[in-house]
Amino acid sequence: AQKITQTQPGMFVQEKEAVTLDCTYDTSDQSYGLFWYKQPSSGEMIFLIYQGSYDEQNATEGRYSLNFQKARKSANLVISASQLGDSAMYFCALPFRGGGADGLTFGKGTHLIIQP
Amino acid sequence: GAGVSQSPSNKVTEKGKDVELRCDPISGHTALYWYRQRLGQGLEFLIYFQGNSAPDKSGLPSDRFSAERTGESVSTLTIQRTQQEDSAVYLCASSRSRATNEKLFFGSGTQLSVL
Repeated sequence: AQKITQTQPGMFVQEKEAVTLDCTYDTSDQSYGLFWYKQPSSGEMIFLIYQGSYDEQNATEGRYSLNFQKARKSANLVISASQLGDSAMYFCALPFRGGGADGLTFGKGTHLIIQP
Repeated sequence: GAGVSQSPSNKVTEKGKDVELRCDPISGHTALYWYRQRLGQGLEFLIYFQGNSAPDKSGLPSDRFSAERTGESVSTLTIQRTQQEDSAVYLCASSRSRATNEKLFFGSGTQLSVL
């Protein structure tokens, strides 16, 4: 069964610093993808970035990049030059099929707080 | 529509009452998902639809929960005889297909409070 682990319940980071949010996963699928979502205090889940397991390069989207290490089964999110607006919950997710379920399996999340 | 729309945004109900939560997915999205998020927790998968079909309902927490979808549009999640443990945010999401590289687009959720 798929499993997503985010080991950092909370993080405090100074504005303009880079921050790395950890995510490790376990899957028996040979081909899969990893997603990161941001959930600000408003509650909506906002898609940030996607990495396919067979993509040759690590995904990047503006200030977001993925440090994808397939052999270690980790897909850490890196936010460069953090901003106050980056304060939110961040969830790593893995597509899940099985037992009638579908969609994405989410980790427990990391609460990131950017300090001025 | 431009995005996934959920209504109501907030619902306060008394224990034992029935509630109905609504989700309007993005037009053309065939897959629709319901999740539950308790305070400070991650997302718990409830049920998904491919078109108007829900292949398996085993993710629903109890037989008090049911869901329907009309064609490839509106879905409703119904909770009968609500309990305090049902208090949570209920999130709906849709995607163009069930392909594993398809991102999910989420609504803003319905905050359900059972007194």
